[in-house]
Amino acid sequence: QSALTQPASVSGSRGQSITISCTGTSSDVGSYNLVSWYRQHPGNAPKLMIYEGSKRPSGVSNRFSGSKSGNTASLTISGLQAEDEADYYCCSYARSNNWVFGGGTKLTVL
Amino acid sequence: EVQLVESGGGLVQPGGSLRLSCSASGFIFSSYAMHWVRQAPGKGLEYVSTISGDGGGTAYADSAKGRFAISRDNSKTTMYLQMSSLRAEDTAVYYCVKDQSGSFCFDYWGQGTLVTVSS
Repeated sequence: QSALTQPASVSGSRGQSITISCTGTSSDVGSYNLVSWYRQHPGNAPKLMIYEGSKRPSGVSNRFSGSKSGNTASLTISGLQAEDEADYYCCSYARSNNWVFGGGTKLTVL
Repeated sequence: EVQLVESGGGLVQPGGSLRLSCSASGFIFSSYAMHWVRQAPGKGLEYVSTISGDGGGTAYADSAKGRFAISRDNSKTTMYLQMSSLRAEDTAVYYCVKDQSGSFCFDYWGQGTLVTVSS
């Protein structure tokens, strides 16, 4: 199972919006509405930010939103804040109790 | 409050074995599948293995098949990962992760335990 494709880095100014893409195949992202997104600050464990493509866990800011079109999922963060600077990973269920992650995107808040 | 605490990591020689443990609290352990996810130094996340709530079902990434064995003891609210035939490429932080039932995602993560495979 190949990793999902994410841009290595994105950046945005405080208050702006950014979108991180996550491209898979018809065997994972395209087949299931089961993409999740995780934020990881340096030295910390990942945190679930979006699940089932667009749902937010309790406590996650509504500045975070997710969507999907075909084999590509996207995470949008609006109103960028300094605390958003982190690595972001997408993940998709890929049948037979298997999951595949993206390579990760480093978000820099300018 | 959900807490997941990994232990058992350390330095091991190539070809060696190691058993990781994950002690869980704050939720009904036997009701949830659990996973192991790893992260090599400076690299991304990689799915490793899953075990169902009752322990009767398991799954492995191709990289772990035949070398790793996941198990759990619900009476001790603890999950394990027995790793054998370890290779340098298994060097990583291993995270214990709780399943968000029905959503096929990972809602709580431990802080991880570092496994270093080196001679």
